[in-house]
This record gives sequence, C-alpha cells and structure tokens, in this order.
Amino acid sequence: ETGVTQSPTHLIKTRGQQVTLRCSSQSGHNTVSWYQQALGQGPQFIFQYYREEENGRGNFPPRFSGLQFPNYSSELNVNALELDDSALYLCASSFGASGGTKETQYFGPGTRLLVL
Amino acid sequence: SQQGEEDPQALSIQEGENATMNCSYKTSINNLQWYRQNSGRGLVHLILIRSNEREKHSGRLRVTLDTSKKSSSLLITASRAADTASYFCATDGGGSNYKLTFGKGTLLTVNP
Repeated sequence: ETGVTQSPTHLIKTRGQQVTLRCSSQSGHNTVSWYQQALGQGPQFIFQYYREEENGRGNFPPRFSGLQFPNYSSELNVNALELDDSALYLCASSFGASGGTKETQYFGPGTRLLVL
Repeated sequence: SQQGEEDPQALSIQEGENATMNCSYKTSINNLQWYRQNSGRGLVHLILIRSNEREKHSGRLRVTLDTSKKSSSLLITASRAADTASYFCATDGGGSNYKLTFGKGTLLTVNP
C-alpha cells in the first residue's frame, strides 16, 4: 500500500457533464501529479501540483483543471466530458525539494471514469 | 506522446523461468523507473535507477540501464504466477516538473 488514496473508485457520467476526482497524497509528500490511462495504453501526464501551484502540464485541453490544497491533497476537474475521456485516472504523490521531484512517485489505485 | 517503448508487448512464460523486458527511450533522462500494474489497477513502483547507475537489484528484480543506447532492461528471476501483470518503464526527463513519460507496457503472463 502506498498511502495514496483516490475517490471515487468508479464513476459513470454522460457527455457534456462535469466531474471532480480526488486524491489524498502520502504523508510527507508535497507534490501531486495526475495521469490519464486509456485502455491498453501507458499513463499520460496531465499536470502536476507543487505546494498548491500548477508546476507543469501535459498535452491536455483547458477543460482539464486541478487544485492542490494546503494539506497537499488534490482535485482533478474535467468539464464538458467527451467519450474519449473514458479512462483510468491516476494520481501520484512525491516529495519535491524546490519544485518538481526527482524522486519516486507513488500511485494511488485510480478512478475509473466511463463517459456515455 | 510515449517516450518509453517496451519490448516485447506480451510475454508468456512458465513459473520458475526468468522474464526479461526491455525499454527504449528517446531523450536524456534523470532517472528511469519500472512499475507493475495488475488488471488495470494502480501502479506499483518496483525500482528506480538513476542516469549515472548501470545496474540495480531488488530481490528477484535486476534492472540495467545503458544511457548510450537509451535502453533499459528488467529481469525477473524465478517468476511466480503472482508476477502476472503489465510492466511499464517510465522516464523522468528533468525540466521543472520531472513528469514521468510511460511506454505502452509489457503484459507478462506466468503460467503455473
């Protein structure tokens, strides 16, 4: 067990709706990264939060947004859901010293999102 | 875009045999990590090897890194049915966020 938790575990939404996914980082970690994993693919980096600020973003549109809270937990919000957003969403926590992290990222169990 | 590419895409072996998976990547890295994923669940970190290291061991795992060839290999010795999973390599290319870039993975099946 990594100590990283995510909620909910499964979610079904319809096209056009909005969704919020949550992640609690491992104790002592100040950095949270979010990844999208489509079926049969490796995870793709969405963005990273370090000390409540966005610290890098992958090739995802602005309707993917996030937050990090003072306790370093994080939310991923997706607006105007599309069918292709159906995927496993993973968060990973780590410790960063001065922005970003060179260390191991520990993943949560993921949230499986199905968009109909 | 996928940076790491694992090879083979699928591997089926008998319990007790060794399994070798390879990973190639394209750009310079700070470190390379291997993860395991069971049936579409979360990723489990196996081992991290830094760019200035050539080999690392952890239990039944042995990882090598050749930065001149931009490649890594993961060897699992004396495999068990419980090792059945998808294995991913992930590279950290530096920058300000050290995002991990994953390959598509190798699906390992260990038959009892």
